[in-house]
Amino acid sequence: KQEVTQIPAALSVPEGENLVLNCSFTDSAIYNLQWFRQDPGKGLTSLLLIQSSQREQTSGRLNASLDKSSGRSTLYIAASQPGDSATYLCAVGFGANNLFFGTGTRLTVIP
Amino acid sequence: GAGVSQSPSNKVTEKGKDVELRCDPISGHTALYWYRQRLGQGLEFLIYFQGNSAPDKSGLPSDRFSAERTGESVSTLTIQRTQQEDSAVYLCASSRGPWGGYTFGSGTRLTVV
Repeated sequence: KQEVTQIPAALSVPEGENLVLNCSFTDSAIYNLQWFRQDPGKGLTSLLLIQSSQREQTSGRLNASLDKSSGRSTLYIAASQPGDSATYLCAVGFGANNLFFGTGTRLTVIP
Repeated sequence: GAGVSQSPSNKVTEKGKDVELRCDPISGHTALYWYRQRLGQGLEFLIYFQGNSAPDKSGLPSDRFSAERTGESVSTLTIQRTQQEDSAVYLCASSRGPWGGYTFGSGTRLTVV
């Protein structure tokens, strides 16, 4: 059974700090990995999609890396802002309609 | 449309009533997914449509739940004889295909009283 684990479950940082969120998965035979953010009471917003052939993707202050061999992905957020406060979800695609979500990291950026 | 649209955004219903939730995917997205998220919990897969293929219903929790999609257009999720444990946010997502990234709608918050 595929499992997706996100550590830490919650994180508080002062504004301006760089931070890293971690995602690990048990099966290295993945097709893609996607990072989402979820604001309270809202749906999911896609941040970055990494295909299995890629090692990283960047969008603005966000950088996501993928290491299939070790079963890990990281989401790096540079110069954090209070607006970054949200729950960040890692979702790993193991095949068609086989997307497994982690339980998320709740990030609070303190002004 | 530009994004995945879900309606209604909020629904309060009495126990035992039927409800119908609607999802309008991004034009051209052949794959459509329904998920459920209970308060404080992770996403729970319900059903998956890919083009005109038979849907994957393996995540539907009971026979009170059903979903339809005509071609690559709108999908409806129907819950019959609602129970309090059905209270959750129901999220719909679409993608260009089974390997594409998902785009989620903002969800329907269902409250069964």
